[in-house]
Amino acid sequence: NAGVTQTPKFQVLKTGQSMTLQCAQDMNHNSMYWYRQDPGMGLRLIYYSASEGTTDKGEVPNGYNVSRLNKREFSLRLESAAPSQTSVYFCASRDMGQPDTEAFFGQGTRLTVV
Amino acid sequence: GQQVMQIPQYQHVQEGEDFTTYCNSSTTLSNIQWYKQRPGGHPVFLIQLVKSGEVKKQKRLTFQFGEAKKNSSLHITATQTTDVGTYFCAGPPGTYKYIFGTGTRLKVLA
Repeated sequence: NAGVTQTPKFQVLKTGQSMTLQCAQDMNHNSMYWYRQDPGMGLRLIYYSASEGTTDKGEVPNGYNVSRLNKREFSLRLESAAPSQTSVYFCASRDMGQPDTEAFFGQGTRLTVV
Repeated sequence: GQQVMQIPQYQHVQEGEDFTTYCNSSTTLSNIQWYKQRPGGHPVFLIQLVKSGEVKKQKRLTFQFGEAKKNSSLHITATQTTDVGTYFCAGPPGTYKYIFGTGTRLKVLA
């Protein structure tokens, strides 16, 4: 039972490069999320997707784009990476149809922009 | 906009001492959830509180939801080294937008 899978686990980018972080869940959840975590800043919501075909901005969306490819997959794209985007990125999914709408997280992607 | 603040930001305790973290929201929450993140790991769900004034216990952990549904607390009795990590509350302001608190990092000194 894989749960939420993120790739890659580690990445180093040069300023200005682009990349896509991949996330897939096998729990048939309808909602998916991207967060970034910086030291002392907690988890900040970048974008979320309530259901397949919809995406919405979270707290810190600038510099990012997302795609909800299908119900399983939700990708995060950095078009032109900046050092300020150095962070740990977490993908999460939830099933809003259940009473206990807990979020399940992936293992995280540690991104460094130099 | 919605803000969920936690205090304290850091807490160091001696093993065996108690620990409490508080979560405060600027708006009323329909429910609140608590997560634990071990160092180097990812957040893992602990519990959800829904009712005003609700109290739930998990072994040495006691969770409370305020009467006004704007605050919550997590209390750990007799901390152990396995309690080390960061504790987050999460209170969705809307149905799908899911915001986490700033977190409290707990260190337990043996």
